[in-house]
Amino acid sequence: AQSVTQLGSHVSVSEGALVLLRCNYSSSVPPYLFWYVQYPNQGLQLLLKYTSAATLVKGINGFEAEFKKSETSFHLTKPSAHMSDAAEYFCAVSERSGYALNFGKGTSLLVTP
Amino acid sequence: DSGVTQTPKHLITATGQRVTLRCSPRSGDLSVYWYQQSLDQGLQFLIQYYNGEERAKGNILERFSAQQFPDLHSELNLSSLELGDSALYFCASSVGGVSNTEAFFGQGTRLTVV
Repeated sequence: AQSVTQLGSHVSVSEGALVLLRCNYSSSVPPYLFWYVQYPNQGLQLLLKYTSAATLVKGINGFEAEFKKSETSFHLTKPSAHMSDAAEYFCAVSERSGYALNFGKGTSLLVTP
Repeated sequence: DSGVTQTPKHLITATGQRVTLRCSPRSGDLSVYWYQQSLDQGLQFLIQYYNGEERAKGNILERFSAQQFPDLHSELNLSSLELGDSALYFCASSVGGVSNTEAFFGQGTRLTVV
């Protein structure tokens, strides 16, 4: 079964610093990969998705992720953190389009002034 | 607003009881997914329906069941509730076709079993 591993349950960065949230996937076939964000007491919002069209994927709010097959990774980055980026971030994988996503355990991002 | 509507937002009930959670998908979406989010288990996929038929099953307990109706809304039924069933239950929807991959999530129903 498809799975993802998120390294680091908590990440803390200073406002203006680079954000790097790590995700590695386990898949025997080209996967569909996603990053979602969850703000407190909210549902999950899609940040970006990889569907094999391009290895560097740009998402909303200045986030992007790069698919690296050789490293089985799909890390999420943002050049400059804002206070409003503080939230829980989830990496997810799906083996087939239109089928359920398997989520990682999430990374809580804290942004300090 | 994702377009996915879940009701109720909060539910408090006693052990042994039965509850029904409701989900209205985005207009045009044929697939509905149910997820359970808890602190210890994280986000767990429960079940997926596509155009009224069950498509995939995840870690759904036998005490839980779901269905998708002709108007495409879905209900998740939880019975013989236990304290450990307390969690946030999310519904998500997607078009469900081969060219559309992302799922859109509702705000969730927070279930507290006392």
